[in-house]
Amino acid sequence: EIVLTQSPGTLSLSPGERATLSCRASQSVSSSSLAWYQQKPGQAPRLLISGASSRATGIPDRFSGSGSGTDFTLTISRLEPEDFAVYYCQQYGSLPRTFGQGTKVEIK
Amino acid sequence: EVQLVESGGGLVHPGGSLRLSCVVSESTLRNHWMSWVRQAPGKGPEWVANIKEDGSEKYYVDSAKGRFIVSRDNAKNSLYLQMNSLRAEDTAVYYCVSGGSWFGYWGQGTLVTVSS
Repeated sequence: EIVLTQSPGTLSLSPGERATLSCRASQSVSSSSLAWYQQKPGQAPRLLISGASSRATGIPDRFSGSGSGTDFTLTISRLEPEDFAVYYCQQYGSLPRTFGQGTKVEIK
Repeated sequence: EVQLVESGGGLVHPGGSLRLSCVVSESTLRNHWMSWVRQAPGKGPEWVANIKEDGSEKYYVDSAKGRFIVSRDNAKNSLYLQMNSLRAEDTAVYYCVSGGSWFGYWGQGTLVTVSS
């Protein structure tokens, strides 16, 4: 099983700042099979990125993903008020599909 | 807009059974893998099971093997999860999701509580 470790646990930033979230895998994720999700309180997660860097339909271009192998990054170029939420990475290169424990982006 | 609507959650005693259902509004999803993902209170999501478009392949997380059964009825645009021998650690919101790899569409979830 691939274990995904996200850091930091909490990121305290102000609107307009840049957010950099990390996801590290315990072993190489094949074919950059990594996705990112955003979750707000009381809501289901929402797909942001698949294939490590491909934005899902309707996702603003301030969200970008990068990385390969064991190290992946989600970058939010300029935080908007609606971006404060919890973010999860998920690998689908192998079974079982696994998620990271999440990074909370909170308002400073 | 694609909608996935789960039902069947509730309170069940340890060792009990429950069957979750999910109706999908978009018939084209019959051409997609489908999955169940759960999220325990205050925790991250956990993939539980997935099923191929025609139901010929099914995969489960280890903790669900031998206890849970995923199935689908494409004629009814429906996905199911039969959960047996439930444990306290199965307590979670269960989401019906599209896809077997990444998960593009999510239902609103149905809460399953296993407690005596």
